[in-house]
Amino acid sequence: DVKVTQSSRYLVKRTGEKVFLECVQDMDHENMFWYRQDPGLGLRLIYFSYDVKMKEKGDIPEGYSVSREKKERFSLILESASTNQTSMYLCASSFRREGQGISGANVLTFGAGSRLTVL
Amino acid sequence: DAKTTQPPSMDCAEGRAANLPCNHSTISGNEYVYWYRQIHSQGPQYIIHGLKNNETNEMASLIITEDRKSSTLILPHATLRDTAVYYCIVRVTGANSKLTFGKGITLSVRP
Repeated sequence: DVKVTQSSRYLVKRTGEKVFLECVQDMDHENMFWYRQDPGLGLRLIYFSYDVKMKEKGDIPEGYSVSREKKERFSLILESASTNQTSMYLCASSFRREGQGISGANVLTFGAGSRLTVL
Repeated sequence: DAKTTQPPSMDCAEGRAANLPCNHSTISGNEYVYWYRQIHSQGPQYIIHGLKNNETNEMASLIITEDRKSSTLILPHATLRDTAVYYCIVRVTGANSKLTFGKGITLSVRP
């Protein structure tokens, strides 16, 4: 019944490496999001996308880029990983259109998270 | 967006109702109240949302005061698996909306 799948649960990378975090959803959601979560800081939005090939910066986009070539897939890219990017990364998706019941844009389905350690 | 205030933590006994408060005194007329929870080492999970009326689903009930300045999430019969961080978020609804999560309230359910 998994609906938002993040490619790796745990990753260990070295400083300067290029890192790809992949997220796939099977709910035909238009919106997709990448958050990071750190102790004491809560969840912070990195980037989001409302449609294929479009992206919007969130609150902390520095050091990250994203790619959305297909509706179901949203990738987070760390061009040159640094130790301060060690974190839990969470992908989420939602419908864009508003409607009845729970189909609203603010009803997010999250993945299980990817814990990245940069050494 | 209206800011929300939640106490940092609370606990309750297993089998009893857990009442989680949230203050949102600056809420505007078109803003909804959303509740999510995050069990340790998992991604957040949507619970419920509402505008004015009380709402109930299979997970919880949401009680919003008449002036909409505060709300309470009720877990009617808390279990150990309900131990989690619970986030109260106020946001307008819309196609391009994006949520901001605060620090939430940590609920500990004791045996």
